[in-house]
Amino acid sequence: DAGVTQSPTHLIKTRGQQVTLRCSPKSGHDTVSWYQQALGQGPQFIFQYYEEEERQRGNFPDRFSGHQFPNYSSELNVNALLLGDSALYLCASSFYGGIDYEQYFGPGTRLTVT
Amino acid sequence: DAKTTQPNSMESNEEEPVHLPCNHSTISGTDYIHWYRQLPSQGPEYVIHGLTSNVNNRMASLAIAEDRKSSTLILHRATLRDAAVYYCPLGAGGTSYGKLTFGQGTILTVHP
Repeated sequence: DAGVTQSPTHLIKTRGQQVTLRCSPKSGHDTVSWYQQALGQGPQFIFQYYEEEERQRGNFPDRFSGHQFPNYSSELNVNALLLGDSALYLCASSFYGGIDYEQYFGPGTRLTVT
Repeated sequence: DAKTTQPNSMESNEEEPVHLPCNHSTISGTDYIHWYRQLPSQGPEYVIHGLTSNVNNRMASLAIAEDRKSSTLILHRATLRDAAVYYCPLGAGGTSYGKLTFGQGTILTVHP
């Protein structure tokens, strides 16, 4: 049973460019959450998708947007990249409303903005 | 969002118990207390969670203070594989389900 997968593993972009990161949830999960983790810091919640809609959002600007597809996979898009967007981007999946609150995290995508 | 505070680092010897503290003095009544750990180059891994009562699972035990303003993760016999960064994020239930609020975490070093 494949866990949460993310692509690409690493990415280097230039300031001002746009980037798309992808996530496939664990089998049986229908909810995807995205987190940003700066070096030496804990993950910060960006947003959550369920039933192809953004259900919750953290304190991130509109440059960060997302999408969820009918097969529950998800994309994170970041426009007008800033140097400060350099971080590890984590995707976590879960089953919405289940009694099990465990979230499964992927290995992340390391984004470097130069 | 309620914040969590943890020691920056802790050390332990192999096969000894480890008690990792977490302070969450502004926790709300519906917040669950979670513990995750993260190895280098990996995403966080779920360890345990609880609401009010102490919890045990195959990985660890979670002791929650009566006022819920603090908690302690207990690893009964540390192994070298337990060396990681440990986080105690709070997670809301209900319509806010799934949003975890992480703090800085504790780097646990285990000596052979």
